[in-house]
Amino acid sequence: KNEVEQSPQNLTAQEGEFITINCSYSVGISALHWLQQHPGGGIVSLFMLSSGKKKHGRLIATINIQEKHSSLHITASHPRDSAVYICAVRRGSNFGNEKLTFGTGTRLTIIP
Amino acid sequence: GAVVSQHPSRVICKSGTSVKIECRSLDFQATTMFWYRQFPKQSLMLMATSNEGSKATYEQGVEKDKFLINHASLTLSTLTVTSAHPEDSSFYICSAPRPLATDTQYFGPGTRLTVL
Repeated sequence: KNEVEQSPQNLTAQEGEFITINCSYSVGISALHWLQQHPGGGIVSLFMLSSGKKKHGRLIATINIQEKHSSLHITASHPRDSAVYICAVRRGSNFGNEKLTFGTGTRLTIIP
Repeated sequence: GAVVSQHPSRVICKSGTSVKIECRSLDFQATTMFWYRQFPKQSLMLMATSNEGSKATYEQGVEKDKFLINHASLTLSTLTVTSAHPEDSSFYICSAPRPLATDTQYFGPGTRLTVL
């Protein structure tokens, strides 16, 4: 079993729909990242969370440390949101331990 | 704009040759950089941690003599795939945390290696 699990693996939705991608992890973490990977391969860091909730534009990320679960939400989805979304966790409590463990990703396709 | 660059973006080579991939931090100094490998439809796997001025730290199962890492300056780390074989064909990505803001990880655009 992977230490970081994402669901769903694939998601297809109509433009405008509200999207939720889930991430569960089984290890102690100091932070959780949500990343976006476009078809060309480049990766963009969307959020880093250690508690609570963050919002950036149409993207919202939440984390529940007790339940070891995080969600990424996209409101008013658009075809340009089509990408692979990856959850990654930073283990350990030492500042400077930046090594990440990655989930397998969720492939999101938004249909116009 | 990009803060971590990689070169080349794409390389095709013959089996048995060596390939060098560069990772540069463009507007900050990175004492640590990370090298990842990603096979098709799979997630990123950490290969090694590149440390400026010292030896790289390799993850279990990664051959250090095959994947040579040199972090000779605070803005440049190189990964050399020696005696490449078709099974080394993959997407190689580097990342660097920004100093004093190590929650922020910047990823390079990746290098797609194809070994014939």
